Amino acid sequence: ETGVTQSPTHLIKTRGQQVTLRCSSQSGHNTVSWYQQALGQGPQFIFQYYREEENGRGNFPPRFSGLQFPNYSSELNVNALELDDSALYLCASRPSGLAGGTQYFGPGTRLTVL
Amino acid sequence: SQELEQSPQSLIVQEGKNLTINCTSSKTLYGLYWYKQKYGEGLIFLMMLQKGGEEKSHEKITAKLDEKKQQSSLHITASQPSHAGIYLCGADIGSSNTGKLIFGQGTTLQVKP
Repeated sequence: ETGVTQSPTHLIKTRGQQVTLRCSSQSGHNTVSWYQQALGQGPQFIFQYYREEENGRGNFPPRFSGLQFPNYSSELNVNALELDDSALYLCASRPSGLAGGTQYFGPGTRLTVL
Repeated sequence: SQELEQSPQSLIVQEGKNLTINCTSSKTLYGLYWYKQKYGEGLIFLMMLQKGGEEKSHEKITAKLDEKKQQSSLHITASQPSHAGIYLCGADIGSSNTGKLIFGQGTTLQVKP
C-alpha cells in the first residue's frame, strides 16, 4: 500500500463524453503526476501538478486537463473522449517539492471508451 | 527525445533460476527507477539509482546503473512465483530529479513452479 488512492476503479464512457478521474496523494506529498498506460505499453507522462499549478506537460492535447487542490489531491479531466483514450490512468505523488524523492503510484483507473 | 529500451520483452523462467532484465538509453540517465506491476494494477516501487556505478539490493533483487549512466540492469536471484509480473524502468525527463518520468515498454516475467 502506497497511500495513493484513485477513484473510480473502472469507468466506461462513450466517444465524445467527458470524464473526471480523482487521485488522493500520500500524506505529506505535494507533487502529483498523471500517466496514461495503454495496454502492453509503459506509462506515458501526461502532466504534473505542484502546489496547485501545472508544472510540466507531456505530449497530450489540451482536452486533457487537471487540477490540484489545497489538500494536494488532484483531478484529471478528459473532454471529447476518443476510442484511443481507453487506458489505465495512473497518478503518482512525491514528497516536498520539485527535487523531492521517489514517487509512489496509485492503483489506477481503468477507462474504457466505447 | 529520450527513449528507454527494455530487453527482453518477455521472459519465462523455472522457479529457482536467476534472470536479468536490461534497460538502455541513448542519453545519460538522471534518476533511474525500477517498478513492478501486476497486470492492470498500479506500479510498486522497487529501487532508484542516481550515481554511475551505483548498485542497490532488496531481498533477492539487485539493480545496477552503469558508470556511463546509460544502462541499468535488474537481476533476480533464485526466482520465485511471487516475482512474476511486469518490470518497468523509468527515468527522469531532462537532467534533474523532476519526477516526470519516461518509461520503457516493460518486461513481462513468468516464473514456472
